[in-house]
Amino acid sequence: DQQVKQNSPSLSVQEGRISILNCDYTNSMFDYFLWYKKYPAEGPTFLISISSIKDKNEDGRFTVFLNKSAKHLSLHIVPSQPGDSAVYFCAADSNYQLIWGAGTKLIIKP
Amino acid sequence: EAGVAQSPRYKIIEKRQSVAFWCNPISGHATLYWYQQILGQGPKLLIQFQNNGVVDDSQLPKDRFSAERLKGVDSTLKIQPAKLEDSAVYLCASSFDRGYNSPLHFGNGTRLTVT
Repeated sequence: DQQVKQNSPSLSVQEGRISILNCDYTNSMFDYFLWYKKYPAEGPTFLISISSIKDKNEDGRFTVFLNKSAKHLSLHIVPSQPGDSAVYFCAADSNYQLIWGAGTKLIIKP
Repeated sequence: EAGVAQSPRYKIIEKRQSVAFWCNPISGHATLYWYQQILGQGPKLLIQFQNNGVVDDSQLPKDRFSAERLKGVDSTLKIQPAKLEDSAVYLCASSFDRGYNSPLHFGNGTRLTVT
């Protein structure tokens, strides 16, 4: 039972353009959502988060949008840079336990 | 600030053998986590400690996996005996506390291959 789904295993975007990574969830009790970024042979690093009482949170080039009615969140990266090439994980917090998606591999083309 | 340290980086063992992983969290972090990440999947929580007490071990296969966090600092995760399906990356993470304002800091993981 996958409560957090990232349906795109990979995404390729031109450098300088917008990258949009999507995440869907099934449990309406989730009250906090996070995005982590992972480079090969390294552990995930925290990127950005959003509380369920908000619909948008922005940090520099990264913006996360939350649509509670659709149980959907997305991560926007503008503009995309070569160093953004990594695997991005969406995670949802349920009672201080994180439920993770399977990840989307983002490839930024020069 | 030094990050989360894990060792070894890689381990290859035969099925039915035992293996142990070590983790040193960021200094001052009360909460420590062990995750299992199978290729192509997201991390799955195995066990969570708050100081030296277990908060959540509901997904830990207790017939073969064990973990301890003596003195509330370092932690070890053991598998005995290992099965083929235990092949995965084992990630240790720590956070200052439980809660939304304490993001997890991960180590680089131990890649376990069981043959």
